[in-house]
Amino acid sequence: QKEVEQNSGPLSVPEGAIASLNCTYSDRGSQSFFWYRQYSGKSPELIMSIYSNGDKEDGRFTAQLNKASQYVSLLIRDSQPSDSVTYLCAVNFNDYKLSFGAGTTVTVRA
Amino acid sequence: GAGVSQSPSNKVTEKGKDVELRCDPISGHTALYWYRQSLGQGLEFLIYFQGNSAPDKSGLPSDRFSAERTGGSVSTLTIQRTQQEDSAVYLCASSLPGTEQETQYFGPGTRLLVL
Repeated sequence: QKEVEQNSGPLSVPEGAIASLNCTYSDRGSQSFFWYRQYSGKSPELIMSIYSNGDKEDGRFTAQLNKASQYVSLLIRDSQPSDSVTYLCAVNFNDYKLSFGAGTTVTVRA
Repeated sequence: GAGVSQSPSNKVTEKGKDVELRCDPISGHTALYWYRQSLGQGLEFLIYFQGNSAPDKSGLPSDRFSAERTGGSVSTLTIQRTQQEDSAVYLCASSLPGTEQETQYFGPGTRLLVL
């Protein structure tokens, strides 16, 4: 069974702080990893993808991948109230489709 | 360019009726996916198309569900004899294999309510 695990939260952080979201997956051979955000009642919106071990930065977002430990994380720097949304971790287990975690809900408090 | 579009955006039907949901992928995207998200649940894979072929139908929950894709573009997901447990948001995504780590882009979804 190929699984993607996320803490459901809610994760509460003060405005301006760093929000750290973690995701673990079951298949060591997985190659592609994605973070989406999903506003209530809307479809998933891509934040970023990561393919290689290490960090990948895009604006206030940094994705971190460690294939040996089978985890991928998302850091949100200078968190804003507009970042209060559900974040979905998705893994391509080399079989085309994405397997999603249950999502982590983030609340940024002013 | 235009993103993935889906229609209808909302559908209310009576138990036992058939429904058709439509997805129009991003132009040029050869891969198309259907997912389902039930209230408070995660996204569940239904079916994958590469061109007009469906090499992976493993997620279709029962034989009441079917899908087709014509011309390598538009796809239709059909649910026959709908049941209340079919109520969910049906999401379509498309990608261009071999690019961007095969990033999937999602449409706005069709919200199906079976009464």
